[in-house]
Amino acid sequence: DVKVTQSSRYLVKRTGEKVFLECVQDMDHENMFWYRQDPGLGLRLIYFSYDVKMKEKGDIPEGYSVSREKKERFSLILESASTNQTSMYLCASRLDRVLSNQPQHFGDGTRLSIL
Amino acid sequence: SQQGEEDPQALSIQEGENATMNCSYKTSINNLQWYRQNSGRGLVHLILIRSNEREKHSGRLRVTLDTSKKSSSLLITASRAADTASYFCATGLPTTSGTYKYIFGTGTRLKVLA
Repeated sequence: DVKVTQSSRYLVKRTGEKVFLECVQDMDHENMFWYRQDPGLGLRLIYFSYDVKMKEKGDIPEGYSVSREKKERFSLILESASTNQTSMYLCASRLDRVLSNQPQHFGDGTRLSIL
Repeated sequence: SQQGEEDPQALSIQEGENATMNCSYKTSINNLQWYRQNSGRGLVHLILIRSNEREKHSGRLRVTLDTSKKSSSLLITASRAADTASYFCATGLPTTSGTYKYIFGTGTRLKVLA
């Protein structure tokens, strides 16, 4: 079974801090994704990566950056955390870059609170 | 904007009843997927239906797809308390990098009462 591991289940940070959320997958997947999930808004795509050092903006990239230095690890960075970034963050991975018929595998999420 | 929208937003039924959730999407698709999310957990893939399929079954799950109406439905038969979760549909959109990004709807919260 594919395992997607997010480094923290709960995280509390202060406004203005630089925040790192880490995600690791163990199945050599090409694609990795970061979503945020808010009540009533569903999942919104922040950034994704289709290869090492390659990334593409999702629907709500403002205030975030990402890093993928190794295939198995995808980091989400909040450059200067703000209270409106309080949310549940979900990481996902998917095997193939080109095919659209494959399931995404999700981590259990990081609930981030910015005070 | 969201590619998929689920309806209803919330659904409460008794154990043993059937639960039906609907999803509408906006553009042409290759396939549509359904996922489940238990409270406080990540999403888990349930079933995929291709654009040339009209119906697909997996255990107690039945998915239909109507591409002319750009809609899909997920039916859970003989529901159990353990089916209590949120259910999301997802469709893939091509990106400039040649891959696909999946767009998820807002989800249906299902509560099955014992």
